[in-house]
Amino acid sequence: AQSVTQLDSHVSVSEGTPVLLRCNYSSSYSPSLFWYVQHPNKGLQLLLKYTSAATLVKGINGFEAEFKKSETSFHLTKPSAHMSDAAEYFCVVSPRAGGGNKLTFGTGTQLKVEL
Amino acid sequence: GAGVSQTPSNKVTEKGKYVELRCDPISGHTALYWYRQSLGQGPEFLIYFQGTGAADDSGLPNDRFFAVRPEGSVSTLKIQRTERGDSAVYLCASSLSSGDFDEQFFGPGTRLTVL
Repeated sequence: AQSVTQLDSHVSVSEGTPVLLRCNYSSSYSPSLFWYVQHPNKGLQLLLKYTSAATLVKGINGFEAEFKKSETSFHLTKPSAHMSDAAEYFCVVSPRAGGGNKLTFGTGTQLKVEL
Repeated sequence: GAGVSQTPSNKVTEKGKYVELRCDPISGHTALYWYRQSLGQGPEFLIYFQGTGAADDSGLPNDRFFAVRPEGSVSTLKIQRTERGDSAVYLCASSLSSGDFDEQFFGPGTRLTVL
């Protein structure tokens, strides 16, 4: 069984300040981990993915995430928030070893960016 | 190129009625997934197809839900005797295959409202 827990349902930051969205995972084996973003009235978009090649993963729009096995965490960060980053973010886990790549989503973190 | 498309974008129906939701995947993608997103929640896996066959339908909530993909491209999710609890956004995604690292591309979803 696998799952992800997003520790904050809402995060509010000022434009230009750092963003931290927290995610912890649980998996019986080494998982694939993803962050997806969902803007209002738009489809889910992949931000980045961890597939064991490197623990620090860089994604689109300046986002990155670090896989920490000892802490079972995969937090999403960005050095400087932009107004366009306001959206809902999902941490996602997928089984590996031929599990068919069905995704298990967290409950989401709504990011608000203020002037 | 064209992304994943879903029709209709909105569907309002009455309790007890039958509905069909359609998904057009990206051309050439052999894997197709259905997810359901209830209000305030992350998407939940329903079923996925590799080609024409349902490789994993473990997420379908009960036997009122059924999905087909007869020619390995377009898929239809069918819900019989709809209930108010079926109200949600139904998301479709496709990927090149169902391998561990294949990115899933999501459609904009169909918002189903059961009155």
